[in-house]
Amino acid sequence: DVKVTQSSRYLVKRTGEKVFLECVQDMDHENMFWYRQDPGLGLRLIYFSYDVKMKEKGDIPEGYSVSREKKERFSLILESASTNQTSMYLCASSLVGYYNSPLHFGNGTRLTVT
Amino acid sequence: DAKTTQPTSMDCAEGRAANLPCNHSTISGNEYVYWYRQIHSQGPQYIIHGLKNNETNEMASLIITEDRKSSTLILPHATLRDTAVYYCIVRVAGTASKLTFGTGTRLQVTL
Repeated sequence: DVKVTQSSRYLVKRTGEKVFLECVQDMDHENMFWYRQDPGLGLRLIYFSYDVKMKEKGDIPEGYSVSREKKERFSLILESASTNQTSMYLCASSLVGYYNSPLHFGNGTRLTVT
Repeated sequence: DAKTTQPTSMDCAEGRAANLPCNHSTISGNEYVYWYRQIHSQGPQYIIHGLKNNETNEMASLIITEDRKSSTLILPHATLRDTAVYYCIVRVAGTASKLTFGTGTRLQVTL
């Protein structure tokens, strides 16, 4: 089974801090994704990456950046955390080249910015 | 992107079939329909997907209408552990990667 592991389940940070959310997948998937989930808004795509060092903006990239230095690892960076970035963050991965390949998700990191 | 419309919530008695509808009237010919579910405090879990034929796996069945404008996810014998939010998603053509999620249907399975 595919395993997507997010480094922290819960995280509390202060406004202005730089925050790193880490995600690792063990199935050699090319695609990796970061979503955030908020009540009433569903899941919204922040960034995705289809290869090492490659990235594309999703629907809400403002205030975030990403890093993909190795195939198995995709990091989400909040350069200067703000309270409106308090949310559940979900990482996912999938195969590339397979048009119908499903996403496999981690269990999420619940980030609180105070 | 083709958008989907799902009821906000549904109830189902344990042991009965749960039929979750989804409208995707703007779907294009090469877009797949995916279903995921999210149990409280967990990440979304893939259930099933299809293009135009009906599909079945160990978790569920997917029925897609002939015009592909709507589909139904069927959980044949719902259990309390199937209580979750169910998302119907249409894959964006051309990117092969991006999935746009809506707000889903909250299914409550009761005794």
